[in-house]
Amino acid sequence: DTEVTQTPKHLVMGMTNKKSLKCEQHMGHRAMYWYKQKAKKPPELMFVYSYEKLSINESVPSRFSPECPNSSLLNLHLHALQPEDSALYLCASSQDLLAGVADTQYFGPGTRLTVL
Amino acid sequence: AQKITQTQPGMFVQEKEAVTLDCTYDTSDQSYGLFWYKQPSSGEMIFLIYQGSYDEQNATEGRYSLNFQKARKSANLVISASQLGDSAMYFCAMRVLSGYSTLTFGKGTMLLVSP
Repeated sequence: DTEVTQTPKHLVMGMTNKKSLKCEQHMGHRAMYWYKQKAKKPPELMFVYSYEKLSINESVPSRFSPECPNSSLLNLHLHALQPEDSALYLCASSQDLLAGVADTQYFGPGTRLTVL
Repeated sequence: AQKITQTQPGMFVQEKEAVTLDCTYDTSDQSYGLFWYKQPSSGEMIFLIYQGSYDEQNATEGRYSLNFQKARKSANLVISASQLGDSAMYFCAMRVLSGYSTLTFGKGTMLLVSP
């Protein structure tokens, strides 16, 4: 089973709202990732968690706040977003960040976010 | 730094024909992994196939095979017997051991399969 789930599938929010994106995996993976993807572009890495600790923050604005409550769950808290933050947000997981070059990332279906 | 180049923004193929999607890479690392992902219009990135830099055989997974030419630094994806459901964006990606070992993606190739 290589399933990563994400909720919600679609989200529309105003610039003053606070919302959260959720990601879950039950593959026993210890690395989890958030990506942002604009139309017709490759995904851009935002955050990486390894063993529930934040390992990489790719200089993401503070209006995006990640959280890893346990090894299966990853949240992305959104606050005071801008219209340019509208994108597809993808979650991924892999066995272990230090497992070597063959460590494969498995992606969820994504959340399409629209900021009005 | 690592770089992945996909020079074909779009490709067209007829159903049941084979198609090759090009990918070249650049890295100074000796150990690296190459991945291909498929992204239909629904958005999910689907892992297709993996090739390690030390693998002697070209990787195959069903209708997908990876034509790995190490000296030319190319890792082309070959899809045999194309199906309508193969219409999607295809991304080539690479991972190395140095640094934080995250994925470097190419810009992608949009494949359209016609009946």
